[in-house]
Amino acid sequence: IQMTQSPASLSASVGDRVTITCQASRDIRHYLSWYQQMPGKAPKLLIYDVSTLEIGVPSRFSGGGSGTHFTFTISGLQPEDIATYYCQQYGDFPLTFGGGTKVEI
Amino acid sequence: VQLVESGGGLVRPGGSLRLSCEASGFTFGTFAMTWVRQAPGQTPQWLSSITNNGRGTFYADSVKGRFTLSRDNSKNTVYLQMTGLSVDDSAVYYCAKGASGYHYFDLWGQGTVVTVSS
Repeated sequence: IQMTQSPASLSASVGDRVTITCQASRDIRHYLSWYQQMPGKAPKLLIYDVSTLEIGVPSRFSGGGSGTHFTFTISGLQPEDIATYYCQQYGDFPLTFGGGTKVEI
Repeated sequence: VQLVESGGGLVRPGGSLRLSCEASGFTFGTFAMTWVRQAPGQTPQWLSSITNNGRGTFYADSVKGRFTLSRDNSKNTVYLQMTGLSVDDSAVYYCAKGASGYHYFDLWGQGTVVTVSS
């Protein structure tokens, strides 16, 4: 299953609403997660099952969608949100990640 | 609660390496475990997963037949035996814990670097 993520990068201001999309090549139902990766660090789980926030993740992060089209939103971008974000499908093997979105201020 | 990888390093093309990932702080034998790698500037690439009891393993086509994933629940450790390494296998290798019953990853190790070069 190919995961097409867009945009590859974006620049926004503090407080902006930022949205990233992820398109699956076939229906993955609700089996989609989102990760945040800081430079030199391992990815960190933010959202699973499309829209469920991992414990401790700020509520400004949210996810939506179903089937093949998914979105990830930061409502009120903060300086500490500067990172690369990846979607990942776990509906079937091989597990696959999107190409990533680098978020800058 | 953590995962600590070890075993990375510099290896010649065609060589072998065994990576280890030791878990602590959770009931290791309850969860599937996975290895993911990431080349510089690239997206993470899933390599292999193993079920909680070790009876089921899954591999990406790119490593099938070359990499073997195993686990020792008595030692809270998962192993990735890598053979026939090529320069394309150079990356940071991460061990990751699967969430209960699903293959998304709620805990990652810090990564270990594998460099394949002559």
